Amino acid sequence: DVKVTQSSRYLVKRTGEKVFLECVQDMDHENMFWYRQDPGLGLRLIYFSYDVKMKEKGDIPEGYSVSREKKERFSLILESASTNQTSMYLCASTGADTQYFGPGTRLTVL
Amino acid sequence: GDSVTQMEGPVTLSEEAFLTINCTYTATGYPSLFWYVQYPGEGLQLLLKATKADDKGSNKGFEATYRKETTSFHLEKGSVQVSDSAVYFCALSDRGGSEKLVFGKGTKLTVNP
Repeated sequence: DVKVTQSSRYLVKRTGEKVFLECVQDMDHENMFWYRQDPGLGLRLIYFSYDVKMKEKGDIPEGYSVSREKKERFSLILESASTNQTSMYLCASTGADTQYFGPGTRLTVL
Repeated sequence: GDSVTQMEGPVTLSEEAFLTINCTYTATGYPSLFWYVQYPGEGLQLLLKATKADDKGSNKGFEATYRKETTSFHLEKGSVQVSDSAVYFCALSDRGGSEKLVFGKGTKLTVNP
């Protein structure tokens, strides 16, 4: 089975902190994605990556950056966390026409 | 741009009731269509998909048919169970699912015994 893991299920940070969310997939997939999920808004794409060191902005990239140094790992970075970034963050990778999702990280910024 | 509209919830049903969750889309070209399910506390799982017009996706008793003429992909199940309680997301992709997905806002389903 494809496995997408995320470094934390729950995370609490303070305003202004730098936050790293890590995602690892074990199926050698080239495409990886970061979404945020908010009530009433569904899932919105933040960034995605087609290959190592390649990244493209999604629909809501402001306030975020990403890093993909190795094929299996895709990191989401909040340079200076703000309260409006409190959300559920979901990572996904794609293979065989299917996106596989991790369990999500629920981030609270105080 | 591409968009997906699905019926707003929450939806509450009794066990063994019939379920329909409506989904319509707007897209250029010929998208692939998906239904994902999110059980409480978990990530999203692919429930079913269809890649061309008139295709029917099915899984775990759920079905959806790709209707190009009405740009719809409604999810149906003949007899729901308590274990089907979850949030359901309709989504589209322009390139068969390997590219980015555009999601609807989700429909929360609660099935009571």
